[in-house]
Amino acid sequence: GEDVEQSLFLSVREGDSSVINCTYTDSSSTYLYWYKQEPGAGLQLLTYIFSNMDMKQDQRLTVLLNKKDKHLSLRIADTQTGDSAIYFCAERFTGGGNKLTFGTGTQLKVEL
Amino acid sequence: GAVVSQHPSWVICKSGTSVKIECRSLDFQATTMFWYRQFPKQSLMLMATSNEGSKATYEQGVEKDKFLINHASLTLSTLTVTSAHPEDSSFYICSARDNSNQPQHFGDGTRLSIL
Repeated sequence: GEDVEQSLFLSVREGDSSVINCTYTDSSSTYLYWYKQEPGAGLQLLTYIFSNMDMKQDQRLTVLLNKKDKHLSLRIADTQTGDSAIYFCAERFTGGGNKLTFGTGTQLKVEL
Repeated sequence: GAVVSQHPSWVICKSGTSVKIECRSLDFQATTMFWYRQFPKQSLMLMATSNEGSKATYEQGVEKDKFLINHASLTLSTLTVTSAHPEDSSFYICSARDNSNQPQHFGDGTRLSIL
């Protein structure tokens, strides 16, 4: 079955870069996503990458995909206090009826 | 960008009450909507997938008679928690997508508290 793992917690100082990692097991993933969830709110789509890409950059966000190792990362440059939230990676795989499998979530805390 | 509105954002009610949650896509046609449940400090658990005009497909372990889903139009899906009990208290989140390869867009969630 599908399994998506993330580290539970990451703490960085304001202005530093944050790197949130995600590993997945389903090799037939088509799209991989990063969502942000603030307390008491729904999920906000940050960025996504198609499985035939290695990297995608969108302003302060950089997504790296290593298909061989089934490893996905999200780098946030110049991390701000407003970036404090829980970050979920998610994969959508062929034959899954467009369903997403979510990771366990990484809580990012940005300290002054 | 795509907007999904979920209502109500918070509801508190007595045990035995049925509660309806609405999920609307405001600026696109949502051919598919998803309903998730999230426990504190946990990830999202998919409850069911609904396609407009069809019966919902429920995930294993989710009682379809307990969680009634209706997706009667391309912009609205509802989840009704029937005869709710304290163990149904949770954060419920919907998402919607159109029939292209665009990502799912999420509502802001509904916090359900059953006393």
